[in-house]
Amino acid sequence: SQQGEEDPQALSIQEGENATMNCSYKTSINNLQWYRQNSGRGLVHLILIRSNEREKHSGRLRVTLDTSKKSSSLLITASRAADTASYFCQYAGGTSYGKLTFGQGTILTVHP
Amino acid sequence: NAGVMQNPRHLVRRRGQEARLRCSPMKGHSHVYWYRQLPEEGLKFMVYLQKENIIDESGMPKERFSAEFPKEGPSILRIQQVVRGDSAAYFCASSPLQRSTDTQYFGPGTRLTVL
Repeated sequence: SQQGEEDPQALSIQEGENATMNCSYKTSINNLQWYRQNSGRGLVHLILIRSNEREKHSGRLRVTLDTSKKSSSLLITASRAADTASYFCQYAGGTSYGKLTFGQGTILTVHP
Repeated sequence: NAGVMQNPRHLVRRRGQEARLRCSPMKGHSHVYWYRQLPEEGLKFMVYLQKENIIDESGMPKERFSAEFPKEGPSILRIQQVVRGDSAAYFCASSPLQRSTDTQYFGPGTRLTVL
């Protein structure tokens, strides 16, 4: 299967702590994106990182990309209860119509 | 600018019936993607369409499933003779540019329950 892998599958932390989620993939990519999905809702785009970028920030989010290891991480700093959600990485392959693949997702629970 | 709209939000069908799921992309977006999310699983790509064209349907089951994106109107994902295993959330996304280079914007999903 070409599906990406995310770890951990579930993460439970206290408010104020940092949360780190990892995504590994198997193919070459053009870009990698992270999405959030609140329970029973659609996906919300968080951040896109291109294959020639190594790190990107957006508010309390920091995404890194290591193409040599075919992995990416999403760091949420100073977590809040409202960050409780599932987080998915999605990546696009090397051709214009390359396969789009989602990771299995990490379920993050932030306790107040 | 309204986001991606999907309807219905919830759909209940009995085995053997047909399910039609609709997706209206964001204004100005000509690329539509359908994904399926089974309970407790991640999203799986199904099909990628542009107006009047199916670009990639490699994720679509070979039978009973079809998709279209006509020149006018929403994109339709059609499931014929539904079975219990079709119960899932179906998400539509749209983008203005080709999929490998652009962000997709997701609709709220349609939750299909097959009794």
